[in-house]
Amino acid sequence: DAKTTQPPSMDCAEGRAANLPCNHSTISGNEYVYWYRQIHSQGPQYIIHGLKNNETNEMASLIITEDRKSSTLILPHATLRDTAVYYCIVRVANKVTGGGNKLTFGTGTQLKVEL
Amino acid sequence: NAGVTQTPKFRVLKTGQSMTLLCAQDMNHEYMYWYRQDPGMGLRLIHYSVGEGTTAKGEVPDGYNVSRLKKQNFLLGLESAAPSQTSVYFCASSYPLPGLATEDTQYFGPGTRLTVL
Repeated sequence: DAKTTQPPSMDCAEGRAANLPCNHSTISGNEYVYWYRQIHSQGPQYIIHGLKNNETNEMASLIITEDRKSSTLILPHATLRDTAVYYCIVRVANKVTGGGNKLTFGTGTQLKVEL
Repeated sequence: NAGVTQTPKFRVLKTGQSMTLLCAQDMNHEYMYWYRQDPGMGLRLIHYSVGEGTTAKGEVPDGYNVSRLKKQNFLLGLESAAPSQTSVYFCASSYPLPGLATEDTQYFGPGTRLTVL
């Protein structure tokens, strides 16, 4: 699975959009971009995923560049409850080999939403 | 629908003691996983299971054993606990359907915080 690079921390004002970048320059054609977040002391929570098209759900939007070497997770109206570590993960979907479908978590981006 | 639950939430062990962590899911998921998370680090896979009666090693399996006797349960055992096993343990489950990445989303439990003295 491709390696990802994220900034270690970001701040965002409540009510504003939070834009979290992720670089994955070695991504392969069949690898998806997944985003999870982990609120302090809780289990990771799935946010969104995509292959090459931009995606949106009730939680966030995912923008993937045309060359797929980077992506941005957008929380349109950040709240204090969005303060968490956000993980960008690149992996092949349904890869049932070796480590099963394990998620390789890096150190993520600590997003702090403030008043 | 409780999702993924873990028992216990907290535990303190002495070096050499044994214990079993229980993970249960009520979503009829085929795949289950055990991860550990150490301070300031991401999650690392310990063991996983792709179905009832099957288990396999992940990245850091040493010192742990697992069993999947029932589809809904995945047990993680520590036979002789060591201080290096002090960590937060997370269980996850997923139900991957071929060609449907959406169904491969992993759902995590709340975690078990283990301290080995």
